[in-house]
Amino acid sequence: AQSVAQPEDQVNVAEGNPLTVKCTYSVSGNPYLFWYVQYPNRGLQFLLKYITGDNLVKGSYGFEAEFNKSQTSFHLKKPSALVSDSALYFCAATGTASKLTFGTGTRLQVTL
Amino acid sequence: NAGVTQTPKFRVLKTGQSMTLLCAQDMNHEYMYWYRQDPGMGLRLIHYSVGEGTTAKGEVPDGYNVSRLKKQNFLLGLESAAPSQTSVYFCASSYLRDNEQFFGPGTRLTVL
Repeated sequence: AQSVAQPEDQVNVAEGNPLTVKCTYSVSGNPYLFWYVQYPNRGLQFLLKYITGDNLVKGSYGFEAEFNKSQTSFHLKKPSALVSDSALYFCAATGTASKLTFGTGTRLQVTL
Repeated sequence: NAGVTQTPKFRVLKTGQSMTLLCAQDMNHEYMYWYRQDPGMGLRLIHYSVGEGTTAKGEVPDGYNVSRLKKQNFLLGLESAAPSQTSVYFCASSYLRDNEQFFGPGTRLTVL
């Protein structure tokens, strides 16, 4: 069965510092990988995805993610965090002929 | 475009009552999904549909039924609500299976 792990329940970072939110996955076949963000009392919003090609994927709001096949990871990154980035972040993955599986989410807290 | 809309936004039920949650999308998407979100568990797929007139079970289908009579609508029914079904329910849609999903704002359901 496929799975997605987000090992950190919460990540704390100061505004202006770089941030990383970790994600590892286990799927059959070539992975399709996604990051979504959820603000309070809202639905999830798509940030970025990896299907194939360049291992560094750029997405919305200055976020990017690095696909590492050997480590089966897809970590979300941003060079300079903003207070407005504070939200709940979900990694999701699917493989061949499978449905999307979400991680349990990581709460990002950016402080001044 | 309204995107994905859900009605109602909030609902309180007593154990044993029934209700239907409505999801509508105006993006002409083929795929539609129903998820539930519970603290510490991420999003879990209840049922999904790959096109008008089709439905399939997801990860946690027990106690729920769905129908997709029109392409733009996906209904989630609870025939006999139980306290374990207290959750936030999200509907989503996508053009193809591996495309990003667009989420509705959610329905917060409490079963007493």
